[in-house]
Amino acid sequence: EAQVTQNPRYLITVTGKKLTVTCSQNMNHEYMSWYRQDPGLGLRQIYYSMNVEVTDKGDVPEGYKVSRKEKRNFPLILESPSPNQTSLYFCASKSPAGVTDTQYFGPGTRLTVL
Amino acid sequence: GEDVEQSLFLSVREGDSSVINCTYTDSSSTYLYWYKQEPGAGLQLLTYIFSNMDMKQDQRLTVLLNKKDKHLSLRIADTQTGDSAIYFCAEGDTGGFKTIFGAGTRLFVKA
Repeated sequence: EAQVTQNPRYLITVTGKKLTVTCSQNMNHEYMSWYRQDPGLGLRQIYYSMNVEVTDKGDVPEGYKVSRKEKRNFPLILESPSPNQTSLYFCASKSPAGVTDTQYFGPGTRLTVL
Repeated sequence: GEDVEQSLFLSVREGDSSVINCTYTDSSSTYLYWYKQEPGAGLQLLTYIFSNMDMKQDQRLTVLLNKKDKHLSLRIADTQTGDSAIYFCAEGDTGGFKTIFGAGTRLFVKA
């Protein structure tokens, strides 16, 4: 089954404790992206990657890092989480061969930073 | 910077038509999208329209684009309770790499 998986689905942590949210897709997609969803603000793009070792900032990259060492994985790293990073995070992937191809979204990771 | 705005709530009766509106600021956007998010789930692409089109129809969905006013709308005919969800308008660049989303419109369908 074609899917994007994220782990963990729920996470409560404390300020300053480094964490990684993993994202994996099994569709051999070149493009992957991370978004955060906050009430009243919709989805905002954090980082995206057009292919292995190619990443670029979205609209709200501050406080986040990403890496793309393999095509299927695109982890989101919070080196020193702060309470304003409490949010619902979505990973997505698509093949840019057709720019209107469906962007497949993961189920989301709800992060709370105390 | 680019911005996408939409009203936050819409309530309709089952069987009526729903119209969700959206305005955007980036006149260079190539693609405009409508996504649906059901409770506890990620987003699903419902439909999209190229910026050089005025209208697109797909079964119960009709998308209208007024490029001059930078206004996009999604009409859902014969709205059903299963259509209750959050609907996001989004604009995308030519490469499809950067997507700007609106805040989402929560559609309530009353039986």
